[in-house]
Amino acid sequence: SQTIHQWPATLVQPVGSPLSLECTVEGTSNPNLYWYRQAAGRGLQLLFYSVGIGQISSEVPQNLSASRPQDRQFILSSKKLLLSDSGFYLCAWSVGGDTEAFFGQGTRLTVV
Amino acid sequence: GENVEQHPSTLSVQEGDSAVIKCTYSDSASNYFPWYKQELGKGPQLIIDIRSNVGEKKDQRIAVTLNKTAKHFSLHITETQPEDSAVYFCAASSPLPWAGSYQLTFGKGTKLSVIP
Repeated sequence: SQTIHQWPATLVQPVGSPLSLECTVEGTSNPNLYWYRQAAGRGLQLLFYSVGIGQISSEVPQNLSASRPQDRQFILSSKKLLLSDSGFYLCAWSVGGDTEAFFGQGTRLTVV
Repeated sequence: GENVEQHPSTLSVQEGDSAVIKCTYSDSASNYFPWYKQELGKGPQLIIDIRSNVGEKKDQRIAVTLNKTAKHFSLHITETQPEDSAVYFCAASSPLPWAGSYQLTFGKGTKLSVIP
C-alpha cells in the first residue's frame, strides 16, 4: 500500500533562518507531488506541484522554493524565512489523472 | 482558474441531527469533486467523492449531491456523532498544463461541531 511521510511535525524557526521540509512517498511510482499551505481559518493553498523528477511548477510568488531530487521525494525550502511563512504545510500525492490526492500529516511551522 | 466557495464556515448541530455543507465552483470543465475531513493537527483525509456523471453518491451516513448545471455540490451527514466534529473541505479538480495532470482547488473549510 502507499504511504506518505512528512517531517518534521512541528518546527519553530527564527526570522531569516533557512528551511527544509521533506516529504517522501512509498508504494507508488512517478506520483504527482504537491505542497500546500494552510493558514488559520483558510483553505488549502497550492504552492508547488511536480509531475516528474526535476520538474517543479509554482502557483504563487513567494519566499519558498521546491525541489524533487528523486521520484518520490519532494522538498520545500527557503533561504531566509519571513514571519508570514508561518503556517501548516501539507505534502500530498496523486497518481495523476482526475482523482484524489493523499495528504501527509503536515508540518506546523512557526517563524519567530 | 477554478474558484471554490464553501458555506457555512462554522456549523454546530446537536448529536443525531443532520449537517449540510454547500460548495460552488466556477470552472465548468471540473469533473471531480472530493470532500475531505481534517482533524486537529492532522492532514486532510478523503471521506467521499463524486464525479460529474453522477448526481448523488452515498456511503452510510455520508452523502454528496452534485448539480453540474448550477455548479454546486453539497455534503450531507445524517445522524451526526461527536466524532464527526472536524473541519470539512470541499474541492474541485481542474487540469494542469501537463496532459493527464490535475490539481485540487479547495474551499476554505467548514468547522463542524457536534454537541453531545
